[in-house]
Amino acid sequence: GQSLEQPSEVTAVEGAIVQINCTYQTSGFYGLSWYQQHDGGAPTFLSYNALDGLEETGRFSSFLSRSDSYGYLLLQELQMKDSASYFCAPSGTYKYIFGTGTRLKVLA
Amino acid sequence: DAGVTQSPTHLIKTRGQQVTLRCSPKSGHDTVSWYQQALGQGPQFIFQYYEEEERQRGNFPDRFSGHQFPNYSSELNVNALLLGDSALYLCASSQSQKEYEQYFGPGTRLTVT
Repeated sequence: GQSLEQPSEVTAVEGAIVQINCTYQTSGFYGLSWYQQHDGGAPTFLSYNALDGLEETGRFSSFLSRSDSYGYLLLQELQMKDSASYFCAPSGTYKYIFGTGTRLKVLA
Repeated sequence: DAGVTQSPTHLIKTRGQQVTLRCSPKSGHDTVSWYQQALGQGPQFIFQYYEEEERQRGNFPDRFSGHQFPNYSSELNVNALLLGDSALYLCASSQSQKEYEQYFGPGTRLTVT
């Protein structure tokens, strides 16, 4: 079967660090993507992990543990513009599964 | 360099009607995927097209069909519209070698009355 779990909402203050966790179950797992979507906007690609470990892209980092079917997105030096929904999207036999996402609220 | 474009932006249809949505992929991309996104939900995968063939399909009924043209653009057709088909329809393009890096268009907001 397929399943995906992310926290529904996370709140943090400007300048802080926040971690958004993702646990998944999917057949034929290839890798884990992360997308950001602002209200009224389209999802934008942030990162992809095919192998275990940490990938860093500027203020954002993404981690994957294939053995634990777990990943996380780490956002550092939070800015107001980071307020958005974040989706992890495991890819596998059934292509891309997006859950309901995590709504991040950044407070001033 | 134009990104992914979709038309129309908004559409209002009546139950039972048929609709066609269009998508032009980002330059250099050969793979197009379609998603349905209901309010407050994540995108739901409808299907993916590559080399003018449907390569993969999500859990959507046959009322949803598509096509990819030689220039990689794509259409999504929905027949016998239901009220539950009201949603944002997103097109995403990618390179076949980097399928995981999808670029989304702005979407078409479909309202079925």
